Amino acid sequence: GQQVMQIPQYQHVQEGEDFTTYCNSSTTLSNIQWYKQRPGGHPVFLIQLVKSGEVKKQKRLTFQFGEAKKNSSLHITATQTTDVGTYFCAGRPGNQFYFGTGTSLTVIP
Amino acid sequence: NAGVTQTPKFRILKIGQSMTLQCTQDMNHNYMYWYRQDPGMGLKLIYYSVGAGITDKGEVPNGYNVSRSTTEDFPLRLELAAPSQTSVYFCASSYRLAGGTGELFFGEGSRLTVL
Repeated sequence: GQQVMQIPQYQHVQEGEDFTTYCNSSTTLSNIQWYKQRPGGHPVFLIQLVKSGEVKKQKRLTFQFGEAKKNSSLHITATQTTDVGTYFCAGRPGNQFYFGTGTSLTVIP
Repeated sequence: NAGVTQTPKFRILKIGQSMTLQCTQDMNHNYMYWYRQDPGMGLKLIYYSVGAGITDKGEVPNGYNVSRSTTEDFPLRLELAAPSQTSVYFCASSYRLAGGTGELFFGEGSRLTVL
């Protein structure tokens, strides 16, 4: 069945360091979305990528969609304590939305 | 605009009991989803619906049932609760775009414990 894997599962960084999480799908995706979930909260939408090779930026966050539309990455520059949480990618091969396993980010002040 | 509303927020069930998790959205979204999230894990799709009267299974449908009689409501029924169903349940909805869907809007979650 459909699998969307993310690495790493956990990441601890010093405040100010960069952070990257990678998302890989076993099948080609129509699009990919990224979500952030704060501890005890619900996932909140960050961005959607649709085109092969697409790159989008939101302030310190850079999102990429692979050429084959099977992988994606989220890069955070100069992390801040407000970046703490779990980052999920979510892919849509059909009408279903499959979530990745998530990367939990801890930022040490 | 309330968005996606889930009830109850917390519930403790005994093994073998049944219950319904309620989900309502007021955004007129076609698509609705139920996910479960186990501690430290990602979200697993239980059931989804692309419109009133239409439902389909996701990755982990066993032990659950859904219905979609209206655009707004998408209840999740647990029959014969088992400890393996202890989890946080999230309902989500999205609008339909040409060639895809928009972002998912999530409810605040329902934390279910089966003892």
